Amino acid sequence: GAVVSQHPSRVICKSGTSVKIECRSLDFQATTMFWYRQFPKQSLMLMATSNEGSKATYEQGVEKDKFLINHASLTLSTLTVTSAHPEDSSFYICSARDYSGSGNQPQHFGDGTRLSIL
Amino acid sequence: EDQVTQSPEALRLQEGESSSLNCSYTVSGLRGLFWYRQDPGKGPEFLFTLYSAGEEKEKERLKATLTKKESFLHITAPKPEDSATYLCAVHAGGTSYGKLTFGQGTILTVHP
Repeated sequence: GAVVSQHPSRVICKSGTSVKIECRSLDFQATTMFWYRQFPKQSLMLMATSNEGSKATYEQGVEKDKFLINHASLTLSTLTVTSAHPEDSSFYICSARDYSGSGNQPQHFGDGTRLSIL
Repeated sequence: EDQVTQSPEALRLQEGESSSLNCSYTVSGLRGLFWYRQDPGKGPEFLFTLYSAGEEKEKERLKATLTKKESFLHITAPKPEDSATYLCAVHAGGTSYGKLTFGQGTILTVHP
């Protein structure tokens, strides 16, 4: 159980293009999802917390207008990188937390999206 | 500010050579400490949750322990397939929605 699916796994596109990444919880409902960015050989950096039915909470230094997050249902959150530029190239990973169980449930991660902007 | 520090940064072992990874943390009210495994080009895979000092969890060749200041991930008789980056993360009491603070990770390489 607790499977998180992320699509696409890899995107290569031209500078100025907007890219949408989907994150789905397949076998549980996720009131909250998280979006991370990971640079080579570095740990995960939280970008934003996505709450179903409300505005996302962005971490300090993350541009809200650059990284648009929508969490329209209990199983789907999307991250749109608007007008992407080469410096936005990175590995983006989403996670979701199953709140239905007892105790402090872990976050379960998707397999990430490798974004390359030419 | 919550902080998580993992050591060593990288660890090379021979197959069968047991060792431990360390995760030191400073948080305001620990609500949970998590261990994840991450393979190259993949998202982290959940391994363990520890809640309170003295707690231990085991899974195959891995055993995680927790004190008030740090956690250890013990690897017994590792195999090449245990090679991965191991991440430690904490959920602190002052954060909402289960927000995690991650350490930098330990890159484990097990040679046959």
